Amino acid sequence: KNEVEQSPQNLTAQEGEFITINCSYSVGISALHWPQQHPGGGIVSLFMLSSGKKKHGRLIATINIQEKHSSLHITASHPRDSAVYICAVFNPPRLTFGEGTQLTVNP
Amino acid sequence: DADVTQTPRNRITKTGKRIMLECSQTKGHDRMYWYRQDPGLGLRLIYYSFDVKDINKGEISDGYSVSRQAQAKFSLSLESAIPNQTALYFCATSESDNFYEQYFGPGTRLTVT
Repeated sequence: KNEVEQSPQNLTAQEGEFITINCSYSVGISALHWPQQHPGGGIVSLFMLSSGKKKHGRLIATINIQEKHSSLHITASHPRDSAVYICAVFNPPRLTFGEGTQLTVNP
Repeated sequence: DADVTQTPRNRITKTGKRIMLECSQTKGHDRMYWYRQDPGLGLRLIYYSFDVKDINKGEISDGYSVSRQAQAKFSLSLESAIPNQTALYFCATSESDNFYEQYFGPGTRLTVT
């Protein structure tokens, strides 16, 4: 069983829909990272969080340390949100990555 | 200009050839990492370096070697490339006191035939 499990693996939505991507992990962690991988392959950091909730524009990330679970929400989704969203947990000294969730938002 | 750069961006090579992938960063970070990405497997750590004199193996270091030539440069070598090393390779950096937030290069797509 992978240390980091994401669901769903693939998600197709219509523009404007509310999106939720889930991440569950089985190891103790110091922090959790949500990178986004663009269709061209480039990876950018969206959030790093160790407790509670963070918001950046239409994106919201939450983490529940006791339940070993994090969610990434996208409100009012747009086709430009189409990308792979990766959950990564920091279990010192390394990051362990989930397989990613492929999100496609159709106009 | 990008903070983390990788060269080459694409490379096709034959089995048995020696290949070097290079990574440079202008972020001033001490920590650098090499990952490979395969479909369905996510990113896996090959090697990491916490400073110029500190090199560590990751999950899948067999068949690879690295060199940290300077704080800003971290190279990954495949001494004798094999087809199952075909993958997308990413370099990343992080600060010493915030090492779980990593900054990724654009990736190198390597194909070994």
